[in-house]
Amino acid sequence: AQSVTQLGSHVSVSEGALVLLRCNYSSSVPPYLFWYVQYPNQGLQLLLKYTSAATLVKGINGFEAEFKKSETSFHLTKPSAHMSDAAEYFCAVSENNAGNMLTFGGGTRLMVKP
Amino acid sequence: KAGVTQTPRYLIKTRGQQVTLSCSPISGHRSVSWYQQTPGQGLQFLFEYFSETQRNKGNFPGRFSGRQFSNSRSEMNVSTLELGDSALYLCASRSRLVSSYNEQFFGPGTRLTVL
Repeated sequence: AQSVTQLGSHVSVSEGALVLLRCNYSSSVPPYLFWYVQYPNQGLQLLLKYTSAATLVKGINGFEAEFKKSETSFHLTKPSAHMSDAAEYFCAVSENNAGNMLTFGGGTRLMVKP
Repeated sequence: KAGVTQTPRYLIKTRGQQVTLSCSPISGHRSVSWYQQTPGQGLQFLFEYFSETQRNKGNFPGRFSGRQFSNSRSEMNVSTLELGDSALYLCASRSRLVSSYNEQFFGPGTRLTVL
């Protein structure tokens, strides 16, 4: 069985500040990990994915995440927040490299203050 | 290239009715998955179809069913609707190309409201 926990259902940062969204996972097999972003009234868009290659993964829009097996974490970061980053972010895990049958975390809504 | 399209975008039904939602994947994508998104349960996997066959199924009652056609378009059906079925239903398609094998492309969803 696999599960994902996202600490903090709401995170607020000032424009230009560091963004840190936390994700911890539980998986009985080596996991494949994903971060998706959802803007209002839209579907999900893939930000980045970890598929057992490099542990530091760079994604779109300046986001990156680091896979830490010892901490079972896959936190999402961005050095400088932009107003357009305001959205809901979902961490997800898959037990196979097809990235299907995703198990999602509860989501973190990121608010960016001017 | 057009994205994943879902119809209708909004739907209102009453308890006991049934509903059919439609999803057209990105051209060339043959895998289609369905997810339910609710405030209480979050995002949950419903099922996945590939080449007109259900390949995987999530933990949902038999009232939830789906199918896929030869052109990869997919429909999901919910029978005997309950209030708790009110949700955003998301469809996602996936390519078999190695470069994007594990990337799912999501549609905008169908917002179902059950009264």
